[in-house]
Amino acid sequence: EVQLVESGGGLVQPGRSLRLSCAASGFTFDDYAMHWVRQAPGKGLEWVSGISWNSGSIGYADSVKGRFTISRDNAKNSLYLQMNSLRAEDTALYYCAATTKQDWFDPWGQGTLVTVSS
Amino acid sequence: EIVMTQSPATLSVSPGERATLSCRASQSVSSNLAWYQQKPGQAPRLLIYGASTRATGIPARFSGSGSGTEFTLTISSLQSEDFAVYYCQQYNNWPLTFGQGTKVEIK
Repeated sequence: EVQLVESGGGLVQPGRSLRLSCAASGFTFDDYAMHWVRQAPGKGLEWVSGISWNSGSIGYADSVKGRFTISRDNAKNSLYLQMNSLRAEDTALYYCAATTKQDWFDPWGQGTLVTVSS
Repeated sequence: EIVMTQSPATLSVSPGERATLSCRASQSVSSNLAWYQQKPGQAPRLLIYGASTRATGIPARFSGSGSGTEFTLTISSLQSEDFAVYYCQQYNNWPLTFGQGTKVEIK
């Protein structure tokens, strides 16, 4: 069964850091580019960051550039998102998602909730 | 950044009726357009990619069309399980961008 399981979310104060993880199983992880997509409460979907299969190509949304860092460990079938200098507007459900030859997202994880509040 | 605009924001439809959802890109994305369905408390599910290709397991009542800047998702005969929010997404350029969503609700 193809599965993506996010972890690492929680309540964090503004300005602090958090690291999200995504564990993949049921497919050949290094055949896929991987992404983080977030959804603020009651809002739509926002792409946050993506990384190619070999980490050779990385991109970020302007809203997180310079604060977030995406990485992956193909030996561990895992994706990460290091989030620094967190702001209230980063509060969201963070999904990891995979893409193959082109960047449509399939599959998706169930998400991990990040709440930034004092 | 390519801006994706969906219309309408909310669509009220009776079961069995046809629903037509629109998505417009601020510049051409060729056929690099996907559609997703999201139900409350669930992750999005891929419906359509390449503007018109149904993903694995997606019923034939879902169809996509368009290219360039204008796209349409049609649900030919709405079933109870189809009431949800639908998003379009372009993958022609990074940053990847989504429309704001169309909520399909029961009339």
